[in-house]
Amino acid sequence: EVQLVESGGGLVQPGGSLRLSCAASGFTFSSYEMHWVRQAPGKGLEWVSYISGSGTTIYYTDSVKGRFTISRDNAKNSLYLQMNSLRAEDTAIYYCARVGNSAYDFHYWGQGTLVTVSS
Amino acid sequence: QSALTQPASVSGSPGQSITISCTGTSSDLGSYNLVSWYQQHPGKAPKLMIYEVNKRPSGVSNRFSGSKSGHTASLTISGLQAEDEADYYCCSYGGSSPPWVFGGGTKLTVL
Repeated sequence: EVQLVESGGGLVQPGGSLRLSCAASGFTFSSYEMHWVRQAPGKGLEWVSYISGSGTTIYYTDSVKGRFTISRDNAKNSLYLQMNSLRAEDTAIYYCARVGNSAYDFHYWGQGTLVTVSS
Repeated sequence: QSALTQPASVSGSPGQSITISCTGTSSDLGSYNLVSWYQQHPGKAPKLMIYEVNKRPSGVSNRFSGSKSGHTASLTISGLQAEDEADYYCCSYGGSSPPWVFGGGTKLTVL
């Protein structure tokens, strides 16, 4: 059974940093592309970042470029999101998601971890 | 790229059919058959319902179907059930920045 478990969320002051983790199990982690998707309180879904199975191809949405860094450790079956220079508008539930049969969908989702940026 | 456009809300009675539209541009929906649909119940993670316009993942009811014409994709739910009440999001691959774009979401109410 595919499982994705996020951790690392919490309350951080504006300008601060946080590192999110996503522990994967139930599949060959290195074979699958992964994403981070976020959802601000009461709002819709927003794609944040993508990483290929090898980690060599990475994309970000414009609003986080230069501030967020996606990475993965295939030996540890883990996905990460390093978030720096956090802003109030980054407040959201952050989900990690795995692609499915199509490399362009979000087939499996974690339960999410809440990041709150506030003073 | 702007978010894809969805109606804020739709409603229907049990047993009826409803359709949720998702309008994009020539850069996303108009260029790729890579639209997917997600169901989200309150407090829960999203669930993939349709991918590549009209394909259903294993375990998803055949009451859910997808289609696309030009720049607009649609999700149809037939034989509405109370458990279908949820938020629904479309998403398309757009090729450029950002590569993936979601719709604003549609709240489905089963009357």
